[in-house]
Amino acid sequence: QQQVKQSPQSLIVQKGGISIINCAYENTAFDYFPWYQQFPGKGPALLIAIRPDVSEKKEGRFTISFNKSAKQFSLHIMDSQPGDSATYFCAASPSGGYQKVTFGTGTKLQVIP
Amino acid sequence: GAGVSQSPSNKVTEKGKDVELRCDPISGHTALYWYRQSLGQGLEFLIYFQGNSAPDKSGLPSDRFSAERTGGSVSTLTIQRTQQEDSAVYLCASRTGVGTEAFFGQGTRLTVV
Repeated sequence: QQQVKQSPQSLIVQKGGISIINCAYENTAFDYFPWYQQFPGKGPALLIAIRPDVSEKKEGRFTISFNKSAKQFSLHIMDSQPGDSATYFCAASPSGGYQKVTFGTGTKLQVIP
Repeated sequence: GAGVSQSPSNKVTEKGKDVELRCDPISGHTALYWYRQSLGQGLEFLIYFQGNSAPDKSGLPSDRFSAERTGGSVSTLTIQRTQQEDSAVYLCASRTGVGTEAFFGQGTRLTVV
């Protein structure tokens, strides 16, 4: 059962442009929403995370927008750079004793000069 | 250790052989996860440990797959009678608790020939 849906599967953006990746979830028990960045040959690494008590979180050029009622969240990369080219995964996990982290299917971002 | 360590980094095995993959989580991290990432695909959840117990084994693809964790630390993922479809990168992650960052290892690239 796919509990976190991610789109698009791949994305090509011009240098300096805005990259937008969207995710939607089903499980209302989720209350922690991280985004991971993965470079080839490496494990995923946390980029930025948000909890549902805020609608937006910004760290540098990376912003998460969160819509609790729609059960959607998105990653915006402002002023995209070639070094941002990587695969991005959204994820979600619930509070409480059960800590399974469910990942989206990933978005391969390519930023072209 | 400084991070999550997985060994071996690469493993080539013949179809039908058994393999063991090892994960050393970050010291003190109580939760440990195994994921599988096939070429160009997302992160497929396999199993989750809280301490030495596994509350969720639902992601293990078949009874050829098993995992254990001892001393609340090291975990091994065992694949018996390997098949070509088992070829993938096996990722291990650990975290301290609810709503915290999951740290990933570099993964073990398994190739079944």
